[in-house]
Amino acid sequence: AQSVSQHNHHVILSEAASLELGCNYSYGGTVNLFWYVQYPGQHLQLLLKYFSGDPLVKGIKGFEAEFIKSKFSFNLRKPSVQWSDTAEYFCAVRAQNAGNMLTFGGGTRLMVKP
Amino acid sequence: GAVVSQHPSWVICKSGTSVKIECRSLDFQATTMFWYRQFPKQSLMLMATSNEGSKATYEQGVEKDKFLINHASLTLSTLTVTSAHPEDSSFYICSLGGGPYEQYFGPGTRLTVT
Repeated sequence: AQSVSQHNHHVILSEAASLELGCNYSYGGTVNLFWYVQYPGQHLQLLLKYFSGDPLVKGIKGFEAEFIKSKFSFNLRKPSVQWSDTAEYFCAVRAQNAGNMLTFGGGTRLMVKP
Repeated sequence: GAVVSQHPSWVICKSGTSVKIECRSLDFQATTMFWYRQFPKQSLMLMATSNEGSKATYEQGVEKDKFLINHASLTLSTLTVTSAHPEDSSFYICSLGGGPYEQYFGPGTRLTVT
């Protein structure tokens, strides 16, 4: 079975700082990769996804992620965070032949100080 | 993406009673729905996959007699927590399988068992 790990549980940044959240997965086959965001009091929303092609994926709100197959990683980045980016971020993986089933990482709680 | 609603958004019940949580797809016919639980400051854990017209598939460690899932139509899946106990207090989230390989999440239901 696949597993997903997010190394940073809590991250505190000042506005305009750059962000990188780590995500590693364990599965040897083909995967689809996702980053979801959960703003305080709101439901999960899709930030971006990787299925195939260019390993650098651009999502909404200035976020991007890079799939590095050799490192089994899919790190999320944003060059300059805003206070409104304060939220919890979840990396998720769908393994080949797993239908729509997702395995989530433990989440990273980001706080951006104004 | 699809719009998913859950009802109720918050429920408080006494220990030993049963609680039903509804998950509705408002604009999408979902043959597959997923039920997750999320403990405070933790990630989403898949409980079961709900298939329209057939029995749900439960993840290891999830008691199917305690968490009854019914997916009677393409727009409605229900989760019933039977004989609830305080340790069942959690945030329950449903999602439906969109295409391709995406999931659309509901806003969640917070269950508090006293």
